[in-house]
Amino acid sequence: NAGVTQTPKFRILKIGQSMTLQCAQDMNHNYMYWYRQDPGMGLKLIYYSVGAGITDKGEVPNGYNVSRSTTEDFPLRLELAAPSQTSVYFCASRHRDRDNSPLHFGNGTRLTVT
Amino acid sequence: GQQLNQSPQSMFIQEGEDVSMNCTSSSIFNTWLWYKQDPGEGPVLLIALYKAGELTSNGRLTAQFGITRKDSFLNISASIPSDVGIYFCAGLILNAGGTSYGKLTFGQGTILTVHP
Repeated sequence: NAGVTQTPKFRILKIGQSMTLQCAQDMNHNYMYWYRQDPGMGLKLIYYSVGAGITDKGEVPNGYNVSRSTTEDFPLRLELAAPSQTSVYFCASRHRDRDNSPLHFGNGTRLTVT
Repeated sequence: GQQLNQSPQSMFIQEGEDVSMNCTSSSIFNTWLWYKQDPGEGPVLLIALYKAGELTSNGRLTAQFGITRKDSFLNISASIPSDVGIYFCAGLILNAGGTSYGKLTFGQGTILTVHP
């Protein structure tokens, strides 16, 4: 199993550009999440999904969109990049049926918006 | 939303020393988790705590779920250079239906540096 795979690892965007951060997991996990990590701020939940076709907002959803057309993939879309979206983005997944099962994280996408 | 206050923000210690860090909150949590993040990687689960008062060990790591359910601590004994990294506490709150959808609230992290 590859676990949770995120691409790209790094990206530099100009203000106003758009991009999609890709996330795929091969563990047949129903629950998937997008977090952003800013220095000294911990991880903040952007969006999450409890299964294909179902998504919901987290703590900091503004400026982002998600879709979940398959169990495996959970892309995060930035439509009009802003400097405030400079951050490290982590995708994570977990098993649905065990509420205490741990999150499996990808290795992150480091995004800079200038 | 819920907030977790993690302290200290950073620690610089000598190899062999013990380390202690903690998280507090004004909210009650049903589960406390401790993660470690190495540079360039995602967080990895170290210890999970599910009941108030629970004390759990994982090798040189020991963590406790506070009796009030509003705090937790992590101890690392006899630190070694590979303990370097960022340590995060995280909490889970079950909703009225008894589920949380796994939405974690994270502390700000403790940056640990170990000098050989």
